[in-house]
Amino acid sequence: EVQVVESGGGLVQPEGSLRLSCEASGFSFTSYWMSWFRQAPGKGLEWVANIKQDASDKRYADSVKGRFTISRDNGKNSVFLQMNSLRGEDTAVYYCARYPVSGPADYWGQGTLVTVSS
Amino acid sequence: DIQMTQSPSTLSASVGDRVTITCRASQTISYWLAWYQQKPGKAPRLLIYKASTLESGVPSRFSGSGSGTEFSLTISSLQPDDFAIYYCQQYAGYPITFGGGTKVEIK
Repeated sequence: EVQVVESGGGLVQPEGSLRLSCEASGFSFTSYWMSWFRQAPGKGLEWVANIKQDASDKRYADSVKGRFTISRDNGKNSVFLQMNSLRGEDTAVYYCARYPVSGPADYWGQGTLVTVSS
Repeated sequence: DIQMTQSPSTLSASVGDRVTITCRASQTISYWLAWYQQKPGKAPRLLIYKASTLESGVPSRFSGSGSGTEFSLTISSLQPDDFAIYYCQQYAGYPITFGGGTKVEIK
């Protein structure tokens, strides 16, 4: 069974940092891109970042470029999102998802809430 | 960036109704269009990809059509479990973008 489980969310002050983790199981992790998406409270879905199987290609939404970094550890079937210089508008539930080569994201985790507030 | 426009934003319907949601892309995306269903407090669920291919395990009452810039999701006979928010998403290029969502509520 394919599973994707996020962790690492919480309350952080503006300009602070947080690192999200996502552990995947039930599929060949090295065969897939992986994605992060987010959803602000009461709002729609927003794509955040994608990372290729060997981490040689990373893509970011303009809203997070230069502040967020996606990475992966294929030995631990895990993907990460390092979030720096956090702002109030980054408050959201962050979802990790499996992303087949030709897309779209098919299996999503249950999400982890990030709240940026003083 | 490719903008995705969904309509309507809210749809009131009864069990058994046939409902259609439309999605328009600001430029051609061929068939690189997906539909997701989301229920409160839950992760999105992939329903359809490549505009018209049903994801494994999704009931056949769901169908998708369209190509280029105009797409639609149809539920042939609305069931109680279908009341949710539906999003279209283009994945033809980066950034990946979503429509604003359509809330299907009970009439």
